[in-house]
Amino acid sequence: DSGVTQTPKHLITATGQRVTLRCSPRSGDLSVYWYQQSLDQGLQFLIQYYNGEERAKGNILERFSAQQFPDLHSELNLSSLELGDSALYFCASSEGDGLAGFYEQYFGPGTRLTVT
Amino acid sequence: GQNIDQPTEMTATEGAIVQINCTYQTSGFNGLFWYQQHAGEAPTFLSYNVLDGLEEKGRFSSFLSRSKGYSYLLLKELQMKDSASYLCAVRDQPRPGAGSYQLTFGKGTKLSVIP
Repeated sequence: DSGVTQTPKHLITATGQRVTLRCSPRSGDLSVYWYQQSLDQGLQFLIQYYNGEERAKGNILERFSAQQFPDLHSELNLSSLELGDSALYFCASSEGDGLAGFYEQYFGPGTRLTVT
Repeated sequence: GQNIDQPTEMTATEGAIVQINCTYQTSGFNGLFWYQQHAGEAPTFLSYNVLDGLEEKGRFSSFLSRSKGYSYLLLKELQMKDSASYLCAVRDQPRPGAGSYQLTFGKGTKLSVIP
């Protein structure tokens, strides 16, 4: 158990819909990262927040957005869902902001999203 | 941009040694990570290399050559529970305007350990 929690564990929804995935980082970690993992693309970095502020952006679609709240939990919002958005979505957390030095990212158990 | 290559699948025998290679092309290199991921589970951290050389951690070792853009993960005394995907990830400078360092993962090597 990494200490990172994600809800829900599974989500099934239809195309065109909007969903929200939730992540709570490990106690004391200020950074939250979101990743998407599909069979053909592997694990892809989406976005990072550090202490409430967006810190790094990867290959995140405009239909997707995220935020980190004052209690440090984070939400990933996916809208206008398409079949290709079906994937495992992982949240990870770390102590540092990712700017310098070694940091270990601890991954949550993931949310499996199925778009039908 | 960056390109990370690792073999898609490997098979090895219980008790043996296996080496999983990873090559990468990137600018502003700032570290290479190895993660283990069992099917349907979260990735877990195995090792981190930022300088050339070998880092040993129990049955697992990781090697880095920055000039060659090359790393390997060495697993000794293989056990059945080592059957998993092994992900190589590179941390480097982001695209302009994209923020701080971020990890880019290879597609992973699925290792099957057989009796």
